[in-house]
Amino acid sequence: AQRVTQPEKLLSVFKGAPVELKCNYSYSGSPELFWYVQYSRQRLQLLLRHISRESIKGFTADLNKGETSFHLKKPFAQEEDSAMYYCALTNFGNEKLTFGTGTRLTIIP
Amino acid sequence: GAGVSQSPSNKVTEKGKDVELRCDPISGHTALYWYRQSLGQGLEFLIYFQGNSAPDKSGLPSDRFSAERTGGSVSTLTIQRTQQEDSAVYLCASSFGDRNFYGYTFGSGTRLTVV
Repeated sequence: AQRVTQPEKLLSVFKGAPVELKCNYSYSGSPELFWYVQYSRQRLQLLLRHISRESIKGFTADLNKGETSFHLKKPFAQEEDSAMYYCALTNFGNEKLTFGTGTRLTIIP
Repeated sequence: GAGVSQSPSNKVTEKGKDVELRCDPISGHTALYWYRQSLGQGLEFLIYFQGNSAPDKSGLPSDRFSAERTGGSVSTLTIQRTQQEDSAVYLCASSFGDRNFYGYTFGSGTRLTVV
């Protein structure tokens, strides 16, 4: 069974400091990984997909198959990054996403 | 429409009553998903529609939960004889449902409170 683990429920980081949100997964096939973000009073939205290898709002995430991780990183945190972040996983050819429990990121001014 | 629309946005119901939650996906999106978001539980998959068929309903917690989709568009999630543990935010999402999967577009959710 596929599973996504986000070990930190809460994470506080000072503005300007680096951010790393951890995500580990377990899956036997070929996974596709996503990060979703939910800002206060807004709907859940896609932040980035590993397959597109893009940087969105300064965030990047690298899929490490050896460590089965897909950590989200940003070198310099900004106050507007405060939000709830969810890591999610699906199998290629299957669109059912399995989500982690989420990490609430707070950026301290 | 321009986005995924869910109604009502908030619903307070008495224990034992039935509730219906509605989702109107993005026009042209053939795939539709229902998730439940509870504090500390993340997003729990409930059911997935491709067109009007539900190939995966494995996440429905009990037979009190059912969902249907008509015309390949609007979907209704029905919870019968609601219990307090059903209190959560119910999220609907849609996607094109083809091989080029770009991720879901979510609605703003229905916050259900069972008292």
